[in-house]
Amino acid sequence: GAVVSQHPSWVICKSGTSVKIECRSLDFQATTMFWYRQFPKQSLMLMATSNEGSKATYEQGVEKDKFLINHASLTLSTLTVTSAHPEDSSFYICSAIRDTFEQPQHFGDGTRLSIL
Amino acid sequence: SQQGEEDPQALSIQEGENATMNCSYKTSINNLQWYRQNSGRGLVHLILIRSNEREKHSGRLRVTLDTSKKSSSLLITASRAADTASYFCATDAGYSSASKIIFGSGTRLSIRP
Repeated sequence: GAVVSQHPSWVICKSGTSVKIECRSLDFQATTMFWYRQFPKQSLMLMATSNEGSKATYEQGVEKDKFLINHASLTLSTLTVTSAHPEDSSFYICSAIRDTFEQPQHFGDGTRLSIL
Repeated sequence: SQQGEEDPQALSIQEGENATMNCSYKTSINNLQWYRQNSGRGLVHLILIRSNEREKHSGRLRVTLDTSKKSSSLLITASRAADTASYFCATDAGYSSASKIIFGSGTRLSIRP
């Protein structure tokens, strides 16, 4: 159990467009989802914590208006990269947990975003 | 920001040999976890060790934790080609939100056939 699906797995788009990435918990209800960003050969950097029904909590240095996060249901969180530019190209990974104190986190397979 | 560093950054060993990776962290923790990431994929949880534990085993994995030195090690015994991946430690860094974790810099492990 505890399967997290992320879609799409790979997206290429032109500079200036907005891209939406979905993170779904398939067999459990996720009160909290996390969004991470990973550059090549580097570690995961937490971007924001998303709680169902409330506003996301962003880490320091992450632009809220650039990375819009919505967690409208217990099984779905979305990350929208608005007006994407080449520097936004990266690997984005989500994770989900059932309740506040659950460990470990359950990760999706990531989305590779390439902005031309 | 990253909680800690992993050592070595990259490790290449022969299949069948043991692989040891180290993780150091900076602040007090409640627990420490190890995850594996295959190239271009998400993370797979390997093992969680609590701050009051010193050693934990899971199959071919052995994890140790030394809270006085703020360090942990992951040992993979009898390595296989399928173990080729990046390995990350992660700690809760004493966050009030117990579920939030910070990852170390990672070790890229390559197993030579």
